[in-house]
Amino acid sequence: DAGVIQSPRHEVTEMGQEVTLRCKPISGHNSLFWYRQTMMRGLELLIYFNNNVPIDDSGMPEDRFSAKMPNASFSTLKIQPSEPRDSAVYFCASSLMGSPDTEAFFGQGTRLTVV
Amino acid sequence: SQQGEEDPQALSIQEGENATMNCSYKTSINNLQWYRQNSGRGLVHLILIRSNEREKHSGRLRVTLDTSKKSSSLLITASRAADTASYFCATDLDTGGFKTIFGAGTRLFVKA
Repeated sequence: DAGVIQSPRHEVTEMGQEVTLRCKPISGHNSLFWYRQTMMRGLELLIYFNNNVPIDDSGMPEDRFSAKMPNASFSTLKIQPSEPRDSAVYFCASSLMGSPDTEAFFGQGTRLTVV
Repeated sequence: SQQGEEDPQALSIQEGENATMNCSYKTSINNLQWYRQNSGRGLVHLILIRSNEREKHSGRLRVTLDTSKKSSSLLITASRAADTASYFCATDLDTGGFKTIFGAGTRLFVKA
C-alpha cells in the first residue's frame, strides 16, 4: 500500500479563494482524521470520521471549514473563503479502529499558504 | 486545549547520550502513543503503550506509563544524529470514542 496520500503537497492561494484539500486513506482503514499544524497551536485535530461518518467536528475552527468523506477511499477538507490565518500544514491520517493497537498513519501533509 | 503536554519543549544532546522526554495528559486513556516528525514530513508512529501496561521497549526506545500520575516518558538510548526530530505523545480518549489528541511536542537535536 502506498500509505495515506494527500494532494496537493503545496497550495498557495489568495485570500477569499476556495481551497480544497484531498486525502486517500489506506485501503481497509475505517477511520480518517484531519489535523492542522502551526507553530503557534501545534497539531490540532479538526475532525474525524468513522466508517465515512463524521464523529466529532468540534475542532473545526469555523463555518468556513467543511469536510466530507463520500466513500471509504476519499475525503476532502474545504476552506471557503480562505484567510491568511488558515496558513498551516494540514495532515490527513487513517487508522483501523477496533483493532488492539490503533496506530494512525499520516500522509505527508499539504502546506497551505493564503496570501 | 490539547490533551497531552510534552516537556521539555526542546532538548539538545550529544550523539551517544540518552534523551528523555516526558508527557502528561488530563483524562482517562485507552492507550498512549509516541510519534516522531522529521522537519517538513508527516508523523511516524514509534510505539504504543496500553493503559494496563507500565513499560514497553522497542529497539533503542523505552516507554513508561504511570496512569496514577497521568504521565509517560520516552527514553531514546545511545542517540544518533538521525534521531533529530520532533517527538509527540498522543492519547486515545477513554470516552467511548477514538479521538487521538497530540501534545505540543519535544524538539530533539542530537549533535554529531
